[in-house]
Amino acid sequence: DTGVSQNPRHKITKRGQNVTFRCDPISEHNRLYWYRQTLGQGPEFLTYFQNEAQLEKSRLLSDRFSAERPKGSFSTLEIQRTEQGDSAMYLCASSLPARGVSSYEQYFGPGTRLTVT
Amino acid sequence: ILNVEQSPQSLHVQEGDSTNFTCSFPSSNFYALHWYRWETAKSPEALFVMTLNGDEKKKGRISATLNTKEGYSYLYIKGSQPEDSATYLCAFYRAGGTSYGKLTFGQGTILTVHP
Repeated sequence: DTGVSQNPRHKITKRGQNVTFRCDPISEHNRLYWYRQTLGQGPEFLTYFQNEAQLEKSRLLSDRFSAERPKGSFSTLEIQRTEQGDSAMYLCASSLPARGVSSYEQYFGPGTRLTVT
Repeated sequence: ILNVEQSPQSLHVQEGDSTNFTCSFPSSNFYALHWYRWETAKSPEALFVMTLNGDEKKKGRISATLNTKEGYSYLYIKGSQPEDSATYLCAFYRAGGTSYGKLTFGQGTILTVHP
């Protein structure tokens, strides 16, 4: 399977614990996005990487959140001191370098569902 | 703040019915409008990327139209089948500035097709 993969698929954690999620994009895609979806809402943008550079962060991304893409390939999203409000589906997407209409399309992984108890 | 609205929020139809959903988005700074289908426990799957006013796209029994001047897009499903049951998301890609291609999603329309 050469699509976007995310691990783990599900994570249950207690409030106050730290969690880390991983995203492996499609290999030739240099752009990588993280989104978060809460119940009844559409996915909301969290952050964007072009290669290893984090170029944009949403105001939704508090100080407890950090994302990395150290070698411009896979990415990790870490949440420190989790809160119940962090419970959501965390989606990763990747896309081709920005040229032409085909680059507009983002390919999504299946997401990591986080439950904070 | 960009508002992307979808209606209805949910829809129940019988197998064989045709149905349609609406996505409304800001008509200024338009760059592209995406439609995704998201089945439970799977990845959101891209259906269409639409960029030109008046665009009509079709994939099998699913089609979509785009009006960028008034800021809306319709998604049509002809002869719905149970396997069409999913959440349908539209997403707006804003031109200019430092949007870097990030998508602003609507809240989705949940379609359930009953056999």
